[in-house]
Amino acid sequence: AQSVTQLGSHVSVSEGALVLLRCNYSSSVPPYLFWYVQYPNQGLQLLLKYTTGATLVKGINGFEAEFKKSETSFHLTKPSAHMSDAAEYFCAVSFSGGYNKLIFGAGTRLAVHP
Amino acid sequence: DSGVTQTPKHLITATGQRVTLRCSPRSGDLSVYWYQQSLDQGLQFLIQYYNGEERAKGNILERFSAQQFPDLHSELNLSSLELGDSALYFCASSVGGTGDWNEKLFFGSGTQLSVL
Repeated sequence: AQSVTQLGSHVSVSEGALVLLRCNYSSSVPPYLFWYVQYPNQGLQLLLKYTTGATLVKGINGFEAEFKKSETSFHLTKPSAHMSDAAEYFCAVSFSGGYNKLIFGAGTRLAVHP
Repeated sequence: DSGVTQTPKHLITATGQRVTLRCSPRSGDLSVYWYQQSLDQGLQFLIQYYNGEERAKGNILERFSAQQFPDLHSELNLSSLELGDSALYFCASSVGGTGDWNEKLFFGSGTQLSVL
């Protein structure tokens, strides 16, 4: 069955440290891949997406992700964490067109410490 | 601000009751999507409407129904509520809804439903 897994429900980093949030999918066909961020009391906001083209995708707020087909992964990184990055992050995949086909991961809550 | 408005922000009700959640999409967006976010099930797609017509159904229970009105606002009706229906219900909107990934999906801030 097609699925998406986020490794680690909670990740804690120090301000200025590297942020790495992991996302793996399970499918025999390459999917469309998304990362969303959810700040407290807000809806989800798109950070970045991979649909076609370059496998290294740059998003908002200094985040980027790389689609690695051989590893079935789409990990999210940011070189230097900021306090304002504290939020919940969702990886999502779709194996066909349309947002009604999005499958969300369970989410990773990122905490950033001074 | 995403431009998607959901009301109410919080709703507390009892088991067996019926509630209606309301969503106004961004100006110009024709598609409305409803999602449920719960602790045990995560974030799941419920249903999509496009320009007043049902476009797609996801994991929506038979006790739940939705509609989109001519002014494009949408309502999600939840009936015979159970404790397990307690969740955060999101509405999102997009311009089209035909599967074009160049479109963006904009989320409202959600309605927190608590069933006691």
